[in-house]
Amino acid sequence: QSALTQPPSASGSPGQSVTISCTGSSSDVGGYDHVSWYQHHPGRAPKLLIYDVTKRPSGVPDRFSGSKSGNTASLTVSGLQAEDEADYFCSSYAGTNYYVFGTGTEVTVL
Amino acid sequence: DVQLVESGGGLVDSGGSLRLSCTTSGFNFNAAWMTWVRQAPGKGLEWLGRIERTSDGGTVVYAAPVNGRFTISRDDSRDTLYLQMNNLRSEDTAVYYCSSEYWYYFNYWGQGTLVTVSS
Repeated sequence: QSALTQPPSASGSPGQSVTISCTGSSSDVGGYDHVSWYQHHPGRAPKLLIYDVTKRPSGVPDRFSGSKSGNTASLTVSGLQAEDEADYFCSSYAGTNYYVFGTGTEVTVL
Repeated sequence: DVQLVESGGGLVDSGGSLRLSCTTSGFNFNAAWMTWVRQAPGKGLEWLGRIERTSDGGTVVYAAPVNGRFTISRDDSRDTLYLQMNNLRSEDTAVYYCSSEYWYYFNYWGQGTLVTVSS
């Protein structure tokens, strides 16, 4: 199983929006509505942001939203804030009790 | 508060063994499916495997790169997850995370423990 492809970096000014893509195949992203997104500040535990493509756990601001089209899922962070500067990675169920993760995107708030 | 704390990482020679622990609190460990994930330097995350909750049979599944070398187990009486790693290789150098799996996503994570395999 190959890792899902994410852009290495993304950036935006405070208040702007940034969208991160997560490209897989019909065997993972395109085949299941089980894409999740995580925020990871280095040295801290990763945090779940989005699950099942578009759903937000309680406590996650609605500035974070997810979508999917074909084999590509996307995470949009609206109204960027300084604390959004972190690494973001996606994950998809890939069938047969298997998961694949994305390569990770470092978001910089300018 | 939910806490997952990995321990047991360190420096080990190629071919050696190491056992990682993930001590948990703040959630019903007995009811959780638990997963190990790692991140090699400069790379993305890699799912290693999962153990079902004991009441579901406790079945363990592994990713191909570690199948036959790594063993996942749990001690529900101690709310602790384990990862026994044998025949370690340089490519196993990574930060290892434990996580709880809930309906196709990972809701709680630890901060990770670093394993360095020296060749």
